[in-house]
Amino acid sequence: DIQMTQSPSSLSASVGDRVTITCRASQTISTFLNWYQQKPGKAPKLLIYGASTLQSGVPFRFTGSGSGTDFNLTISSLQPEDFATYYCQQSFSPPRLTFGGGTRVEIK
Amino acid sequence: EVQLVESGGGLVQPGGSLRLSCAASGFIFRNFAMSWVRQTPEKGLEWVSAIGGSGTSTYYADSVKGRFTISRDNSKNTMYLQMNGLTAEDTALYYCAKDLNARGSYGGNADYWGQGTRVTVS
Repeated sequence: DIQMTQSPSSLSASVGDRVTITCRASQTISTFLNWYQQKPGKAPKLLIYGASTLQSGVPFRFTGSGSGTDFNLTISSLQPEDFATYYCQQSFSPPRLTFGGGTRVEIK
Repeated sequence: EVQLVESGGGLVQPGGSLRLSCAASGFIFRNFAMSWVRQTPEKGLEWVSAIGGSGTSTYYADSVKGRFTISRDNSKNTMYLQMNGLTAEDTALYYCAKDLNARGSYGGNADYWGQGTRVTVS
């Protein structure tokens, strides 16, 4: 199975900060990469699919980039509602999907 | 509005069985593949199983193959996960999820998730 490694595992940031989360695949996955946001007690929410396509209704401050094995999720100006855990997930080889371990974004 | 509501979780002894259900509304159910994903604090998010829109194509993670059976009833807009031979390793919050694209085959991109149903094997 394709392994997905996220970094950092957690970070502290302030409202208004620019934040970047990295996801690395153990083999090339083209742009078959999704990003999810999960808040405590809630289900994951799709933010970005195909590495860079913003899901409908997701604010433009979220951007995804990358291809092959290295990907980034960037929040251009962190808002209070963005404090959550973020997961990457590869869909290169359905149905064998795998998720990253998550990045927890906390308030500094 | 898309809604996915899971049910059927609970406490079960090792070796026991449970049947999870996922009731869907707000979209043309038969047009979309569906999946089950589970989550634990230790292992994080783990894909479990998926089923194509017509129900003829089914997929399983190695960890559940031979023990779990996924199915769907498109007349009832409901997906199921029959879980047999449960072990402590199956303890998790189980989510059902809808695939992003209306092509019937499973693409692995989940755009809507339910709130989950908890399974505890002890």
